[in-house]
Amino acid sequence: AQSVTQPDIHITVSEGASLELRCNYSYGATPYLFWYVQSPGQGLQLLLKYFSGDTLVQGIKGFEAEFKRSQSSFNLRKPSVHWSDAAEYFCAVAGGAGNMLTFGGGTRLMVKP
Amino acid sequence: SAVISQKPSRDICQRGTSLTIQCQVDSQVTMMFWYRQQPGQSLTLIATANQGSEATYESGFVIDKFPISRPNLTFSTLTVSNMSPEDSSIYLCSVDGVGPYGYTFGSGTRLTVV
Repeated sequence: AQSVTQPDIHITVSEGASLELRCNYSYGATPYLFWYVQSPGQGLQLLLKYFSGDTLVQGIKGFEAEFKRSQSSFNLRKPSVHWSDAAEYFCAVAGGAGNMLTFGGGTRLMVKP
Repeated sequence: SAVISQKPSRDICQRGTSLTIQCQVDSQVTMMFWYRQQPGQSLTLIATANQGSEATYESGFVIDKFPISRPNLTFSTLTVSNMSPEDSSIYLCSVDGVGPYGYTFGSGTRLTVV
C-alpha cells in the first residue's frame, strides 16, 4: 500500500525567505508524485508533478520539487516566499489499482511580514 | 486537463437527511474518485467509481452510507445518507484523465450538518 508522510504540520517563514516542505513516500514501484496547494476556503490547485525523467521538477508560482529515490523524498522548495503563499500544502502519490491519489497529512505554511 | 463542475458548492443540512453531490466533467474519463476532507484534515479517499461497474469503497466507507452513481463517462454523484454532524466535511471529486496525467479536482462541496 502506498503512503505519504509530511513531517511538518506547521511551518512559519518570513516573507522573502526560502522555503522547503518535506515529503516522504512509500510505494513499491516508481511513484507518480504531486504537490497541491489549498488556500483557505479554496479548492486544490496542482503545483507540480513528477512522473519520470528529470528529477528536478518546475511548477507554477515559482515552486520546484526534487525527486530523490534513494531517500524516498519529494521535497517542495521556493527560493523566496511571498505572503500570498500562506496556505495548506499537500504531497500526494499515485499508484495502485485505479491510480488513486494518496495524500499526506498536509503542511500549513504561515508567512510573517 | 479536464474541467470539473461540482455542485452544490456548500449546503447546510439537517441530521438524518441525505445530500447528493454532483460532478460533471467536460471530457470522458475512465476513473472518478470521491474524497472527504474533514475539518483541518487531509483528504481521504472514499471510493473509486468506474463507469459500468460498482464503485470500490475504501476501508471505513460503505455503500449504504455513501452510495455512488456513475451513469456515463462524464458524470458521477455521491450521496451522503442519514447525515450526522460527523459528516460535516468538504467532499471533492477528482478525475483521472489519461493515466495519472489528468488529476483534476472539483471545487468541493462544503457540507455542514446541524
